[in-house]
Amino acid sequence: EVQLVESGGGVVQPGGSLRLSCSASGFNFNVYSMNWVRQAPGKGLEWVSYMTSDSATIHYADSVRGRFTITRDNAKNLVSLQMNNLRAEDTAVYYCARGLQYAFDQWGQGILVTVPS
Amino acid sequence: QSALTQPASVSGSPGQSIAISCTGSSSDVGGYNYVSWYQQHAGKAPRLLIYEVSNRPSGVSTRFSGSKSGNTASLTISGLQAEDEADYYCCSFTAWTTRVFGGGTKVTVL
Repeated sequence: EVQLVESGGGVVQPGGSLRLSCSASGFNFNVYSMNWVRQAPGKGLEWVSYMTSDSATIHYADSVRGRFTITRDNAKNLVSLQMNNLRAEDTAVYYCARGLQYAFDQWGQGILVTVPS
Repeated sequence: QSALTQPASVSGSPGQSIAISCTGSSSDVGGYNYVSWYQQHAGKAPRLLIYEVSNRPSGVSTRFSGSKSGNTASLTISGLQAEDEADYYCCSFTAWTTRVFGGGTKVTVL
């Protein structure tokens, strides 16, 4: 069974940093691209970042470029999102999602990040 | 990059068919066959229904189908069931190598 489990969320003050992690199991992590998608409370989905299986290609949404960094460790089946200079508008549930031809075919349960205004 | 345009809500009676539109531009929906659709029940993670405009992952009911014409993609739910009541989102790859979601459509089963 495919499982994606996010961790590392919490409350952080504006300007602070937080590192999210996503532990993958039940599939060959090494061959799949990975993404982060977020959802602000009561709002719609927003794609955040993408990384290919070999870490060679990385994409970011304009809203986070220069502040967030996606990384992965294929030996540990782990993908991470380092979030710096956090703002109130970054408050959201963050989902780790497996890539399938520019779609997202498996999702974690999500982890809440709160940046008070 | 503006969000793709979806109707805020769509409703139908059990057994009916409904369609949800997703309008973008030639830089996203119209330019690539990389449109996907997601179902999200309240408090749950999204679930992939359709990828590459019209492909269904294994395990997704054949009642869900996708299509595209020009800059507008559509998700059709046939034989509407009570369990289909949820939020639905479209998503497209873009010319700037980003991905953009629609604002979401709330489906109500009357």
